[in-house]
Amino acid sequence: GENVEQHPSTLSVQEGDSAVIKCTYSDSASNYFPWYKQELGKRPQLIIDIRSNVGEKKDQRIAVTLNKTAKHFSLHITETQPEDSAVYFCAALLRASYGKLTFGQGTILTVHP
Amino acid sequence: GAVVSQHPSWVICKSGTSVKIECRSLDFQATTMFWYRQFPKQSLMLMATSNEGSKATYEQGVEKDKFLINHASLTLSTLTVTSAHPEDSSFYICSARARAEIYTQYFGPGTRLTVL
Repeated sequence: GENVEQHPSTLSVQEGDSAVIKCTYSDSASNYFPWYKQELGKRPQLIIDIRSNVGEKKDQRIAVTLNKTAKHFSLHITETQPEDSAVYFCAALLRASYGKLTFGQGTILTVHP
Repeated sequence: GAVVSQHPSWVICKSGTSVKIECRSLDFQATTMFWYRQFPKQSLMLMATSNEGSKATYEQGVEKDKFLINHASLTLSTLTVTSAHPEDSSFYICSARARAEIYTQYFGPGTRLTVL
């Protein structure tokens, strides 16, 4: 099955700085890579996703890059704000898995005012 | 659109009792529903996948006799934790996928289960 590794486990930045979270996946047949933001006690919220036929996707302050050859993808948040503080999870979907997502371990992002 | 609800949002029960959690897709038909368990400060771990009208597929290490999943309609799936024990205390989250969507899963708000 798929295995997803996520780093770092914690990330602390100053407001206005950029934050980068990286994930690697094991199965080259994975073709969909979403990123979720989860606040304490709440559901995961999809913030951006990328499919394997695309190398980069941007949505305002958030971007995701994908390197299929190296099997890794990254989340980039620019101009961080205190409200960006949360746990972020990457995930990978294996094409033949009927929609099963494998999640990374999570990154606790803290943005200091 | 694409709202998924869960009920109850939290439940406290005594050890040995059974607890049922409902997951509903409110405005779409969910051909596939997924059940996750999340322990404090950990990631989401998939427990099982259920397709409407068929038996659930459980992940390795998940006891199918302990975690009973029923997906009787295109808008409702239930997870019953039988003979719950304190180690079953966790945050249980469901997600649903619509027929026409290959990738997107819509997550429910989660159910906090505490077993005393």
